[in-house]
Amino acid sequence: NAGVTQTPKFQVLKTGQSMTLQCAQDMNHNSMYWYRQDPGMGLRLIYYSASEGTTDKGEVPNGYNVSRLNKREFSLRLESAAPSQTSVYFCASSGKQLLAKNIQYFGAGTRLSVL
Amino acid sequence: DAKTTQPPSMDCAEGRAANLPCNHSTISGNEYVYWYRQIHSQGPQYIIHGLKNNETNEMASLIITEDRKSSTLILPHATLRDTAVYYCIVRVNFGNEKLTFGTGTRLTIIP
Repeated sequence: NAGVTQTPKFQVLKTGQSMTLQCAQDMNHNSMYWYRQDPGMGLRLIYYSASEGTTDKGEVPNGYNVSRLNKREFSLRLESAAPSQTSVYFCASSGKQLLAKNIQYFGAGTRLSVL
Repeated sequence: DAKTTQPPSMDCAEGRAANLPCNHSTISGNEYVYWYRQIHSQGPQYIIHGLKNNETNEMASLIITEDRKSSTLILPHATLRDTAVYYCIVRVNFGNEKLTFGTGTRLTIIP
């Protein structure tokens, strides 16, 4: 039982390049999330998916797209990377039960640098 | 979701109890208090949550004041591995499932 797995762990891009961050969970969770964390700051929600087939914008969605490929996988795509997107990206998931909705399980993060 | 206020940093001696305060004076009746922590470079980790009663699990205890306007997370016997940023989050358990992380309290355990 791996929990939430993110790939890659590290990535360096040039401005304008595109890439997709992958996230998969093996806990049969309905909800999945993408956050970013800039140095010295708290996490900010980019997008989330409350269930398979649905996605919604979070606090900072500009410059990103997401795909909920199936119940297990939720990917984050940067179409044209910018230096302002240099950050650590975390994926998370949470269960369906009412009191479990706010118990989110996080991956180890993807450290992205855009030059 | 109610706003929370936490001290930016705290120190605690190893082996002692670490008491982390959180003020949430605008909390509403159906909002829960959640605590997470983030050890350096790792993803956040859920610790504990409660509504109005005190709660305890294998990681920590949560004390919520009777008026629910503040709470304290207690790590009973702090170890060096407890050095982390601790986040107090207040939110309802229905509808919007997003968590709002502030800047938290940076707890340093001193040997």
